[in-house]
Amino acid sequence: QKEVEQNSGPLSVPEGAIASLNCTYSDRGSQSFFWYRQYSGKSPELIMFIYSNGDKEDGRFTAQLNKASQYVSLLIRDSQPSDSATYLCAVPRGTGGFKTIFGAGTRLFVKA
Amino acid sequence: DAGVTQSPTHLIKTRGQQVTLRCSPKSGHDTVSWYQQALGQGPQFIFQYYEEEERQRGNFPDRFSGHQFPNYSSELNVNALLLGDSALYLCASSRRGLRETQYFGPGTRLLVL
Repeated sequence: QKEVEQNSGPLSVPEGAIASLNCTYSDRGSQSFFWYRQYSGKSPELIMFIYSNGDKEDGRFTAQLNKASQYVSLLIRDSQPSDSATYLCAVPRGTGGFKTIFGAGTRLFVKA
Repeated sequence: DAGVTQSPTHLIKTRGQQVTLRCSPKSGHDTVSWYQQALGQGPQFIFQYYEEEERQRGNFPDRFSGHQFPNYSSELNVNALLLGDSALYLCASSRRGLRETQYFGPGTRLLVL
């Protein structure tokens, strides 16, 4: 089992729809969870982070965390063609320093 | 507010050569992590530096080494380059105690021929 797993996609949604991206993780001790967006040829850009169970909203983005089930998701409302990118789930591990484990990413394609 | 910067942006080397990549963290950040990202994959953690010491290391051979300077900037060195080292090398900075929130630089794209 991979430490952080994501569906590689591509996930295709029409413009204006809700895109739902999922991520599962193996370490029950994980406390922080991050979502990054990466456009082709560019570096990852932090878009959301969540620490507590439940939902966290920021504009069109909502992160959802369920520690009991060990999954974290990202919802993008009113999807736009500019949201077309790879979305990376990231989970830090360790003490006295940390290493962040990334999923392989889910490619999202928003059709105009 | 200056973000994370990396140099060079692109680099071409041949097998067996050595390379040094550089990173300056975001203002106010004191921790630097390095990642390797192959095409179509997520970033793979190489190591992390804080207070000029390597604090965590991923599953990379000793050919990969690093350094952090008193001004928090960092270098990644790779010796005896292999074709498989061709990748995007990313530097991410964070501030100790802020929940491991990392911000990435633009990356250095290394091609080994």
